Order: sequence, then C-alpha cells, then structure tokens
Amino acid sequence: EIVLTQSPDTLSLSPGERATLSCRASQSVSSTYLAWYQQKPGQAPRLLIYGASSRATGIPDRFSGSGSGTDFTLTISRLEPEDFAVYYCQQFVSSRYTFGQGTKLEIK
Amino acid sequence: QVQLVESGGGLVKPGGSLRLSCAASGFTFSDYYMSWIRQAPGKGLEWVSYISSSGTTINYADSVKGRFTISRDNAKKSLYLQMNSLRAEDTAVYYCAKEVNSFDPWGQGTLVTVSS
Repeated sequence: EIVLTQSPDTLSLSPGERATLSCRASQSVSSTYLAWYQQKPGQAPRLLIYGASSRATGIPDRFSGSGSGTDFTLTISRLEPEDFAVYYCQQFVSSRYTFGQGTKLEIK
Repeated sequence: QVQLVESGGGLVKPGGSLRLSCAASGFTFSDYYMSWIRQAPGKGLEWVSYISSSGTTINYADSVKGRFTISRDNAKKSLYLQMNSLRAEDTAVYYCAKEVNSFDPWGQGTLVTVSS
C-alpha cells in the first residue's frame, strides 16, 4: 500500500498570503494518478487538481499543483477567505487507493 | 448536471447489516468506474471499494474485505454497498464518487452509525 504523508498538519496563514501544501508518497506515483481535494465543514470533498497539475472545471487559477515521483505540492497563490478548509491528496496508482491524512488550512 | 445521491444510511447494531445505494444522473453511468469512500467523524478520508464500469473488476480496502460487497446496476444507474458484520469502527459518512483518475463528483454522503 502506498502511504501518502501530507505536511504540515495545520497551516495558519492570512488572506492574501501564499499557501504551500506538501504530499509525499512512500513510493513513486505517476503524476497521472495524483489528485488534490478541498473539503469544507459539513460538505463533501471537491476535486481541485487531477493529474498532479491539471485544474478541475471551475477551479480558480490561484490553485496550482506540481511535482512528480514521490513529492507533490499544492499551491494557493493568494488566499481568499473561502480557501480556508482541509486539503487531501490522493493516489490511484495501486489497486488500493489511498489518501493523505489532510492539511488543515486555518486563518491566522 | 452530473449528480450522485446516496441513501440507506442509519443506525445499526454491531454485527448488523445495511445496504447503501447511490443514484447517478447526468452522465453515462455504465462508462465509468465508481467508488465508495468513507469518513469517520472528525477523521480523514478512507477509500472503501471500487467497481469497474462493467462490474467485472472489484477491489476493497483491507478494513472491509470479506464484510462489504460492492455492486452496480447499469440499467438503473445505481451503485450499491452491502455492509455485513458491521463494527463500531465502520461508523462514518459514506460517499459514492465517479472515478476517472480522480473522484469527481462526490455525492453528499449518507451517515452510518454502528452502536448498541
């Protein structure tokens, strides 16, 4: 099973700042099969990024994804108030899909 | 638009059974893999099971293998999860999701509570 470790667990920033979230895999993951999701309290997760760097439909361009192999990054260029939420990375390489434990992005 | 609606959650005693359903609309259901994902209260996301478009390929997380059964009815555009021998640790919101190298969209979820 591929383990995804996200860091940090909690990130405290202010609106307008840049957020950098990390996702590290225990073994190599093809970029095609790495996705990022956003989840707000009481809501289902929403797809942000697929294929490591492609934005899903309707996702603002302040969200970007990058990385390859075992290290992937989600960047939010300028935080808006609605961006404070929990973010998860996820892999589809192995037949047992796995999620990272999540990074909570909170208002400082 | 693409929509997934789960149903069938509720309160069940340990050792009991429950069947979840997911009704799909707005896309050609029979063309896509589908998955169940769950989230225990206050915890992260855990993938539970997937099923191929035709239903011939199925996989489960180790935590539910042998107890849960995923199935689909393409004519009814519906996905199912039969959950047997339920345990307290199966308490979670269960989501269904359409899969194409990512989960999109997700349903709103249905809560399963396993408690005596």
